Amino acid sequence: AQTVTQSQPEMSVQEAETVTLSCTYDTSENNYYLFWYKQPPSRQMILVIRQEAYKQQNATENRFSVNFQKAAKSFSLKISDSQLGDTAMYFCAFMINFGNEKLTFGTGTRLTIIP
Amino acid sequence: KAGVTQTPRYLIKTRGQQVTLSCSPISGHRSVSWYQQTPGQGLQFLFEYFSETQRNKGNFPGRFSGRQFSNSRSEMNVSTLELGDSALYLCASSPDPENNEKLFFGSGTQLSVL
Repeated sequence: AQTVTQSQPEMSVQEAETVTLSCTYDTSENNYYLFWYKQPPSRQMILVIRQEAYKQQNATENRFSVNFQKAAKSFSLKISDSQLGDTAMYFCAFMINFGNEKLTFGTGTRLTIIP
Repeated sequence: KAGVTQTPRYLIKTRGQQVTLSCSPISGHRSVSWYQQTPGQGLQFLFEYFSETQRNKGNFPGRFSGRQFSNSRSEMNVSTLELGDSALYLCASSPDPENNEKLFFGSGTQLSVL
């Protein structure tokens, strides 16, 4: 069974600063996907960034980037130049690929951007 | 293109009743999965349907069931509601098995059991 751990229940950072959210996971699989989802007060889960385990290069999406350490089973999210709209719950999630739609989520980190 | 649509947005029921929640996936998406979100247990996978067949099921009692129609729309049903069933129920859709890493979520149905 897969587990995902987010050890930071809450974080806050000043607007325009950089913040890093931590995530570790446990699996015996070699091929899988890792995700960061954002859930604002609207409740909709919004995909922030995705990483395929077979890719060594860290994924980036504009101000969002990850530090994927496969051997350490670590998958942190870095948000640069943070904006007020980044305030939300952030969930790290794991999925085995090819026909298995099940996402295993961490418990989330509540991020607050301070003006 | 419209996103994943879940109805209703809010629902209040009493213990012992049953409830049906609906999810319309993005047009062209054939896989629909359901998740339960509670403050205590976090996000937990309920089940996933593809082409009207349940492919995966989470660790929930038999009171939780679902189905998918030929147009890919899905419903989930909870019978004999308990207070602990109060949660946000999220639906997600994806195009097909070869592209299943792209999940798109709806805004959920907030169920309150009194």
